[in-house]
Amino acid sequence: QKEVEQNSGPLSVPEGAIASLNCTYSDRGSQSFFWYRQYSGKSPELIMSIYSNGDKEDGRFTAQLNKASQYVSLLIRDSQPSDSATYLCAVNSGNQFYFGTGTSLTVIP
Amino acid sequence: GAVVSQHPSRVICKSGTSVKIECRSLDFQATTMFWYRQFPKQSLMLMATSNEGSKATYEQGVEKDKFLINHASLTLSTLTVTSAHPEDSSFYICSARGQVYEQYFGPGTRLTVT
Repeated sequence: QKEVEQNSGPLSVPEGAIASLNCTYSDRGSQSFFWYRQYSGKSPELIMSIYSNGDKEDGRFTAQLNKASQYVSLLIRDSQPSDSATYLCAVNSGNQFYFGTGTSLTVIP
Repeated sequence: GAVVSQHPSRVICKSGTSVKIECRSLDFQATTMFWYRQFPKQSLMLMATSNEGSKATYEQGVEKDKFLINHASLTLSTLTVTSAHPEDSSFYICSARGQVYEQYFGPGTRLTVT
């Protein structure tokens, strides 16, 4: 079992819709959770971090964490074509840092 | 804040030569930096973890004598690809660990070995 699992997609949503990206992790003791965005040919960019159960909102992005169920999600409201990218979930567990394989999102104009 | 730079952004070299890539944390001190490699349409692959003042820890299957890593200061880590071959052509990305274990990535170096 991989430490961090994501649906590879591709996920397609129409412009203006809500995109929902999900991630599960295996280590119940994980403490820190991150979402990165990676455009094609570019390096990953940190867009959200979350450390406690519940929701964390930043502009059009909302990260949701449920430690009991061991999942973390990212919602993108009012999706724009510029949101088309691969989204990587990352989890810090002790001194280890694990990335998921990423979900490819395409926002259709 | 939390800016990481990489140099060069793109390099083309001949087979058999060595290439050095620099990774700098510009506005924070990074005791730990990471080196990744990414092939087209594939996931990030961690190559090694670099700790300031000590030897790097390499992932399984990564040749430490081929990919030399030096982390001599809190703001600089270097990756040298020795005796490069065409199969080493890839996108090399460094990252630096922040205070709550998040990672900040450099813009990457695209290496082409001819």
